[in-house]
Amino acid sequence: GENVEQHPSTLSVQEGDSAVIKCTYSDSASNYFPWYKQELGKRPQLIIDIRSNVGEKKDQRIAVTLNKTAKHFSLHITETQPEDSAVYFCAAKGGSYIPTFGRGTSLIVHP
Amino acid sequence: EPEVTQTPSHQVTQMGQEVILRCVPISNHLYFYWYRQILGQKVEFLVSFYNNEISEKSEIFDDQFSVERPDGSNFTLKIRSTKLEDSAMYFCASSLGGIQNGAEQFFGPGTRLTVL
Repeated sequence: GENVEQHPSTLSVQEGDSAVIKCTYSDSASNYFPWYKQELGKRPQLIIDIRSNVGEKKDQRIAVTLNKTAKHFSLHITETQPEDSAVYFCAAKGGSYIPTFGRGTSLIVHP
Repeated sequence: EPEVTQTPSHQVTQMGQEVILRCVPISNHLYFYWYRQILGQKVEFLVSFYNNEISEKSEIFDDQFSVERPDGSNFTLKIRSTKLEDSAMYFCASSLGGIQNGAEQFFGPGTRLTVL
């Protein structure tokens, strides 16, 4: 089955800095890679996703890149703000219904 | 904006007791899911449900677990005889289309289950 590794587990940055979270996956058939933001005690919410036919996708301060050859994808947040503080989960999904989640990255943005 | 809702927000039960976690998916969605998240760990898939039957289930979803859509509105997860290790946050989710086609899943706020 799919195996998703996510790094780092904790990321601490100053407000205004950029943050990068990286994930690798094992199943070359995976074709959909969503990223979720989970604020403390709240539900995971989709913030951006990318499909395997796209190399990069951007939405304002958030961007995701995908390298299919190396089987890794990354989340980039620029000009971080305190409200970006949350746990971020990557996921990978292939032909199965089952998405496999990474272990999560706790992002802390210091004002 | 429509949302997935879940009740109760927190359920405390004794080991060995049965619990039913309730979810109301977004009304026009056709695919329903349960996930769990043990404190501090990643979200784990339990089961997906479509057309009134289980589409796929993970190894975690053993005979102690069952799902039901009793009335076309609610989607329930039953744990027959709870164990200490069942303590977790349980998230319900729904999607309009199948996520195998990239449809977005919408998550509920979760039910925190504590087994004593």
